[in-house]
Parts: sequence; C-alpha cells; structure tokens
Amino acid sequence: GENVEQHPSTLSVQEGDSAVIKCTYSDSASNYFPWYKQELGKGPQLIIDIRSNVGEKKDQRIAVTLNKTAKHFSLHITETQPEDSAVYFCAASRRRTDSWGKLQFGAGTQVVVTP
Amino acid sequence: DTAVSQTPKYLVTQMGNDKSIKCEQNLGHDTMYWYKQDSKKFLKIMFSYNNKELIINETVPNRFSPKSPDKAHLNLHINSLELGDSAVYFCASSQERDEQFFGPGTRLTVL
Repeated sequence: GENVEQHPSTLSVQEGDSAVIKCTYSDSASNYFPWYKQELGKGPQLIIDIRSNVGEKKDQRIAVTLNKTAKHFSLHITETQPEDSAVYFCAASRRRTDSWGKLQFGAGTQVVVTP
Repeated sequence: DTAVSQTPKYLVTQMGNDKSIKCEQNLGHDTMYWYKQDSKKFLKIMFSYNNKELIINETVPNRFSPKSPDKAHLNLHINSLELGDSAVYFCASSQERDEQFFGPGTRLTVL
C-alpha cells in the first residue's frame, strides 16, 4: 500500500519568512496530492492540491510542487503570517481508480510562525 | 451553513460502554468517511461509504460499526469501548473521489 513520509515534524519560522514542507510517497500509481491545514481544535481543511499531470500549482502565498520521477511533493508558504501557525498534512491517493479516494496521510508538520 | 457536522464534539465514557457518533453533511456529496486521529496527530482512514454502500473498510476492530441511513449521514457506533479507542474521530465527505471536506471532529475519551 501507499506510504507517505513528511518532513520536518516541526518548523519554526519568523513572520515574513518562507516555510517549506516536503513529502515523499511510495506508490507510483498515486495521482492526487492534497495538502490540509489543521488549526487547534478543528478539522483538517484542504488548502491546495495537485494532480499528477501538473508540476506546480500556486494560490496566493501557497504553492505546491510535484516531482513524479522522484515521488516527492512540497508545500511552500511565502511571507508567513502568525495565522499560518497550524499543523499541515500532506496526503496521496489514487484518485479516480479503484481506491475510492482513500487518502494516505503524512504524519504532519507543526508550523509555528513567530512575530 | 455548516458543511460537515458531527455530534457530540466531546464524549467521555467508561471502558466497556457503547457509544455513537453522528455525522451529517449538507454538501450533496455521495461519499462519506470516518478517520481516526491519534494522540500523535496521525490521521488514518477507517471506513468509507458511497451512496450508502461500504467501499473502504480498513483494519478496524469489529467493535466499530458504521451505519449510513442515507447519503447525507454516516454514523459510527462503537461497542465495548477500550482505553485505546481514545482519539479524535473525524467525519469527511466528498463527491465521488474528489476533494474531501472534514467535520470539526469528536474527541472521545475512554476512562
């Protein structure tokens, strides 16, 4: 089955700096890679996703890159703000195949943005 | 206008009891999920239903039984609760295999 590894487990950044979280996956058939943000006491919220036919996607201050050959993908947050502090999860799945949206999550990264 | 809602938000109970967690989505989605998040924040899928049919059933003790009365609801019943069942349980929904939207979670504490 799919195995997703996520690094680092914790990340402290100064407000205004960039943050990068990296994930690797094992199943070459995985074709959908979402990123979720989980604030304290809340459920995970989808912030950006990328399909395997795309190498990069950007939405304002966040961007995701995918390297299918190396089987890794990354989340980039620029100009970090205190409200970016949360736990971020990467995930992978075989979207639109026989796995019915089964997301395999990474272990999460606790991001702390200090003013 | 809550999209995915769960009740209760907190559940504290004794070992051996039976409890249920309810989930409802008003997004018109046809697929719903239950996830378990342990104390280390690791998220793992437990079950998934598509149009009231069970389609994902991970290695979960048979003390856990999901029930889907209709497409908008997916409840989780747990028999004979154990200490190790303490966790946060999240319900999620999607339209087929598209983006999944999560509920706010139910924190279960077994004493």
